[in-house]
Amino acid sequence: EPEVTQTPSHQVTQMGQEVILHCVPISNHLYFYWYRQILGQKVEFLVSFYNNEISEKSEIFDDQFSVERPDGSNFTLKIRSTKLEDSAMYFCASSDGGRAYNEQFFGPGTRLTVL
Amino acid sequence: DQQVKQNSPSLSVQEGRISILNCDYTNSMFDYFLWYKKYPAEGPTFLISISSIKDKNEDGRFTVFLNKSAKHLSLHIVPSQPGDSAVYFCAAKDRKIIFGKGTRLHILP
Repeated sequence: EPEVTQTPSHQVTQMGQEVILHCVPISNHLYFYWYRQILGQKVEFLVSFYNNEISEKSEIFDDQFSVERPDGSNFTLKIRSTKLEDSAMYFCASSDGGRAYNEQFFGPGTRLTVL
Repeated sequence: DQQVKQNSPSLSVQEGRISILNCDYTNSMFDYFLWYKKYPAEGPTFLISISSIKDKNEDGRFTVFLNKSAKHLSLHIVPSQPGDSAVYFCAAKDRKIIFGKGTRLHILP
C-alpha cells in the first residue's frame, strides 16, 4: 500500500540553525501539505502546495519557512533560523485532489527538537 | 481561536459497546468535515468524512452525523474494538483543514 514517508524521524538542532525536513508523498498525488503539532496541542496547518506553488498558508508560515519540490518525488520544508518554539512534530501529507480530495494521507512525522 | 472544538479530552468505552465522539464548530463556511485517528508515533489516518450538504455518512463500523443547525458533528463506532483505542481528531475544511484538539478513546476489555 502506498504511503507518505518522512525523514529524519527525529531532528535535533541548535537555535538559529537551518533545518530541512524531507517528505516523499504518494507518487500519483498532486497536492502536498505540511502540518505541525506542538506537544500536547492540536495539529496545525502550515501550508499547502500544488502545481509547484503555495496554494494556501497559515499565519504560522512566516518568512522563516519555505517549501520546495526539488524533483518529482521529494517535498521539503525548510526552517531558516530555528527558534525554541519551533520544537514540534512536523507532518507531511498528500492527496490526489480528485474524488478523494478531502482524504489527505499523512506521513509518520519528524520530531524537531530545538535546543 | 478554536473554530473546531472537541470538549472531551478522553473517553472510555467497554469493548463491544458504542463509542460516540463529539465535535462542535463555529464557522458556517466549512464545506467538509473529517475524522482522523492517530496512534502514538504515527501520523493521523483518515477515517471518514461528510459533506456539509449531508447529515449522515456510514462506512462499516463508523458513522458520522452532522447537525448543521447546531454546528455539531459526531462519530459513532459500533461495535467498539480494542484496536480503536487512539486519539481521534475532528477536522473541518474551508480553504484549509482545521483540526480540533483531539479526544483520546480507551476501549476497555
